[in-house]
Amino acid sequence: AQTVTQSQPEMSVQEAETVTLSCTYDTSESDYYLFWYKQPPSRQMILVIRQEAYKQQNATENRFSVNFQKAAKSFSLKISDSQLGDAAMYFCAYRSSYSGAGSYQLTFGKGTKLSVIP
Amino acid sequence: DSGVTQTPKHLITATGQRVTLRCSPRSGDLSVYWYQQSLDQGLQFLIQYYNGEERAKGNILERFSAQQFPDLHSELNLSSLELGDSALYFCASSAGSVAEAFFGQGTRLTVV
Repeated sequence: AQTVTQSQPEMSVQEAETVTLSCTYDTSESDYYLFWYKQPPSRQMILVIRQEAYKQQNATENRFSVNFQKAAKSFSLKISDSQLGDAAMYFCAYRSSYSGAGSYQLTFGKGTKLSVIP
Repeated sequence: DSGVTQTPKHLITATGQRVTLRCSPRSGDLSVYWYQQSLDQGLQFLIQYYNGEERAKGNILERFSAQQFPDLHSELNLSSLELGDSALYFCASSAGSVAEAFFGQGTRLTVV
């Protein structure tokens, strides 16, 4: 079974600064997807960014980028120019690329609570 | 707006009761996933349906059951409720094997 670990329960960042959230995972599969989801106080789960394991290039979405290290099974999220609206819980999630039964459920880490200081 | 609709948003009920949570997936999505988010267990996968058929089960209690109807909406039934069932229940939908899942806003269940 796959596991996802987020070792930082809480982090804080000064507005306009850069912060990196860590995530490691354990899997025996060679092909899979990794995601970062954001959960603001409204509790909505919002997809921030996704990475396919077969792609060497790190995914970027505006101010959000990842550092994907497949051999190390590490998948960190970097938020540049942090804004007050970035304050939220951030969840790292893993999903198999192939499932014989056709199920692609997500395995989540415990989350990192990010505070943004004005 | 993710396009996934969950009702109700909040639910307060007593121990021993039964409730039904409803989910309408995004238009065209055949897969529906149910997740439970609690303080101690985090986000856990419960069950998945694909085009009306059960595809996978996670950490779902026997007191819980789900189904997906021909119009693709899904219902999660929770019975003999206990205080520990208080949690946020999410529904997510996806279009297929390469698509990411989109989440509804969740149903906050409080068992008193």
